[in-house]
Amino acid sequence: SQQGEEDPQALSIQEGENATMNCSYKTSINNLQWYRQNSGRGLVHLILIRSNEREKHSGRLRVTLDTSKKSSSLLITASRAADTASYFCATDAENTDKLIFGTGTRLQVFP
Amino acid sequence: GAVVSQHPSRVICKSGTSVKIECRSLDFQATTMFWYRQFPKKSLMLMATSNEGSKATYEQGVEKDKFLINHASLTLSTLTVTSAHPEDSSFYICSASGGARGNEQFFGPGTRLTVL
Repeated sequence: SQQGEEDPQALSIQEGENATMNCSYKTSINNLQWYRQNSGRGLVHLILIRSNEREKHSGRLRVTLDTSKKSSSLLITASRAADTASYFCATDAENTDKLIFGTGTRLQVFP
Repeated sequence: GAVVSQHPSRVICKSGTSVKIECRSLDFQATTMFWYRQFPKKSLMLMATSNEGSKATYEQGVEKDKFLINHASLTLSTLTVTSAHPEDSSFYICSASGGARGNEQFFGPGTRLTVL
């Protein structure tokens, strides 16, 4: 399977704490994206990082990419109860428009 | 971001019947649409890629006669689950890309299919 792996599978934290999720993938990529999914809903695009970038910020989100290790991390700082959702990384297979999703991390933030 | 809709949002059907799910790009012309399937607490698995006016390309292990995909216009793709069985119960999500939006995929809200 080409599917990426994410860890942890589930993460529970208190409001105000930081949440870190990791993603590993298998093939060469052009870019890596992170998505959020509330239960039973569609995907919301959070951030895209290109293969020649190492770090990117967007508000409380910080994404890193290490192409030598084929891994990425998503850090959510100062978490809120509203951040409770599942988070997925997705990579594009080189020279295709397809997205390959990771297994996802279910984040629960307690108020 | 661009808006992609799906209809219906939920459908319950009897085993043996066929169900059609629509995916529409509301504010851009989508040359490519993707159909994904998601089991509870699992990730999205790509089922097929459809380009407007041509046959869909199915991923390995996806039965093309079971999951009929039509992409007849730049704003509409349909997925028909034929002769549905309980194991087809799942969350089906489409995405659209193309035109002025480039290669970025914009996702629909998903359709929950329950086959009794």
